[in-house]
Amino acid sequence: EVQLVESGGGLVQPGGSLRLSCSASGFTFSSYAMHWVRQAPGKGLEYVSAISSNGGSTYYADSVKGRFTISRDNSKNTLYLQMSSLRAEDTAVYYCVFLGVHWGQGTLVTVSS
Amino acid sequence: DIVMTQTPLSSPVTLGQPASISCRSSQSLVHSDGNTYLSWLQQRPGQPPRLLIYKISNRFSGVPDRFSGSGAGTDFTLKISRVEAEDVGVYYCMQATQFPWTFGQGTKVEIK
Repeated sequence: EVQLVESGGGLVQPGGSLRLSCSASGFTFSSYAMHWVRQAPGKGLEYVSAISSNGGSTYYADSVKGRFTISRDNSKNTLYLQMSSLRAEDTAVYYCVFLGVHWGQGTLVTVSS
Repeated sequence: DIVMTQTPLSSPVTLGQPASISCRSSQSLVHSDGNTYLSWLQQRPGQPPRLLIYKISNRFSGVPDRFSGSGAGTDFTLKISRVEAEDVGVYYCMQATQFPWTFGQGTKVEIK
């Protein structure tokens, strides 16, 4: 059974940093691209970032480009999202997604002073 | 980026009655491999999104057969044949034909 468990969310001040993790199991993690999608409170889904299976290729939405860094550790079956220069508009639940099929439970990031 | 437009944005439905949601894309979702990567997601209150339908009309594992998807090219539809109480939530169409994935605005299904 595929499982995706996000962690690392919390309250952070504007301009601060946070690193999200997604621990994956139930599939061959190193063989697949992985994705982050976020959802602001009461809003729809926004695609944030993606990384290829070997980490060699990455994608960022314009809204986070230059501030967020996606990475992965295939030896640990873990996906990361390093977020810096955080803004109030980054407040959202961040979901780790596999193939567009499997979604984690999400981790809430709140950017507020 | 491909823009996904859903209608209606809200759908009050009587229990046991059908519901239908439309999704239109700003360009064809037919991939060069011949597949159309249009999915439907359900998000119940307080829950993460859950895949219902993939590649237009294929029900994901465990999805009741009252859910069906149809369409082609740029126009797609999700139908619920008889709405049940557990179907309350927000439904999103999503395209994965072209990077980046994009989503419709969401349609809220609620019981009258």
